[in-house]
Amino acid sequence: GAGVSQTPSNKVTEKGKYVELRCDPISGHTALYWYRQSLGQGPEFLIYFQGTGAADDSGLPNDRFFAVRPEGSVSTLKIQRTERGDSAVYLCASSLGWGNVNEQFFGPGTRLTVL
Amino acid sequence: AQRVTQPEKLLSVFKGAPVELKCNYSYSGSPELFWYVQYSRQRLQLLLRHISRESIKGFTADLNKGETSFHLKKPFAQEEDSAMYYCALSGRGTGFQKLVFGTGTRLLVSP
Repeated sequence: GAGVSQTPSNKVTEKGKYVELRCDPISGHTALYWYRQSLGQGPEFLIYFQGTGAADDSGLPNDRFFAVRPEGSVSTLKIQRTERGDSAVYLCASSLGWGNVNEQFFGPGTRLTVL
Repeated sequence: AQRVTQPEKLLSVFKGAPVELKCNYSYSGSPELFWYVQYSRQRLQLLLRHISRESIKGFTADLNKGETSFHLKKPFAQEEDSAMYYCALSGRGTGFQKLVFGTGTRLLVSP
């Protein structure tokens, strides 16, 4: 079956604009994760969903960042008033369910560039 | 705080040479340790995890709690091993869900 997909693959925007990044998890995976990877760094956790609810949003850097998963499948990461420092690759991952024994499967990422 | 350290940004070896990618961690408690790999133009994928005690593509990693290390080893490197390797941990302190990654090591295997 298809893996995790993310759209768009690339997004260029201007400082101050609003952007939405979409993630389609593997069918049947109840857990969904967002990470951010800046140049030269490893992925950094942002938020984790179990079903429709955000079980852990401790990694969101500030209130400009918000994510939803209204039907427990597709998720959207929303960034308001973008800043140049938001430029990074945003990765989405999904897993079968709860617990660290469940392997996280990653999407290809969305490269966000804020000019 | 949970932290993963990969001291080498780049490791360059010749084909057939042994490889060791270093990973040290800081964590109070019993973490779960993982190695993820990203080949050129591919997505990040799990290579192995310490609880499985497997050898994947000839790679092994042993968790050393005394030295807080989880080094990745392969006795004879192949050109197709060239990739970016990330060490990661999860555990009760991270809620078990999120992975904490190191900064990664690029392995370059030359013919």
